[in-house]
Amino acid sequence: GAGVSQSPSNKVTEKGKDVELRCDPISGHTALYWYRQSLGQGLEFLIYFQGNSAPDKSGLPSDRFSAERTGGSVSTLTIQRTQQEDSAVYLCASSPSGGALLYFGPGTRLTVL
Amino acid sequence: KQEVTQIPAALSVPEGENLVLNCSFTDSAIYNLQWFRQDPGKGLTSLLLIQSSQREQTSGRLNASLDKSSGRSTLYIAASQPGDSATYLCAASNYGGSQGNLIFGKGTKLSVKP
Repeated sequence: GAGVSQSPSNKVTEKGKDVELRCDPISGHTALYWYRQSLGQGLEFLIYFQGNSAPDKSGLPSDRFSAERTGGSVSTLTIQRTQQEDSAVYLCASSPSGGALLYFGPGTRLTVL
Repeated sequence: KQEVTQIPAALSVPEGENLVLNCSFTDSAIYNLQWFRQDPGKGLTSLLLIQSSQREQTSGRLNASLDKSSGRSTLYIAASQPGDSATYLCAASNYGGSQGNLIFGKGTKLSVKP
């Protein structure tokens, strides 16, 4: 069956521009997560959506980062006024429920020049 | 604050060898622990999930164990193959916080030589 998909696969942008990253979770999965992986670093938790509950935004590094999940399905991660330190691979994952096995998408590689 | 550590950072073994990857965590109040593999330039593939009430999980040549009291988990790979070459990540989620907030180690990069 279809897995988690993310678009675009690669994004190159100039410092100061806004970017939007998209995640399509596995159909029926109620939990959706965003992580980022910087070069040589581990995965860093960003935000977690579970059903209709308020999202856990505790991992967002600054107020330039925001995410929404429309209709309990597709999610968009928005980074405003991008900085070079935002360059990383942004990974989305979904799960049948919170605390269950995670299924990751292939990621979006963001490069800020 | 939960911290997850994986040692060694890299491991190279000849094909056919049995091997153990180590993961340690500082807060024993975990909800579950998961193991993933990551191939270069790709996302993560889930391998095994161990709930806090379990001691181990097995899938094919993989066996993961969990010892909460010592803050350790191991991933045992039997009869390693070149196709097992990848980076292996463990991640812990805790009670009290978001169950989705998996804390990842930095991984062990495994190379299996033919």
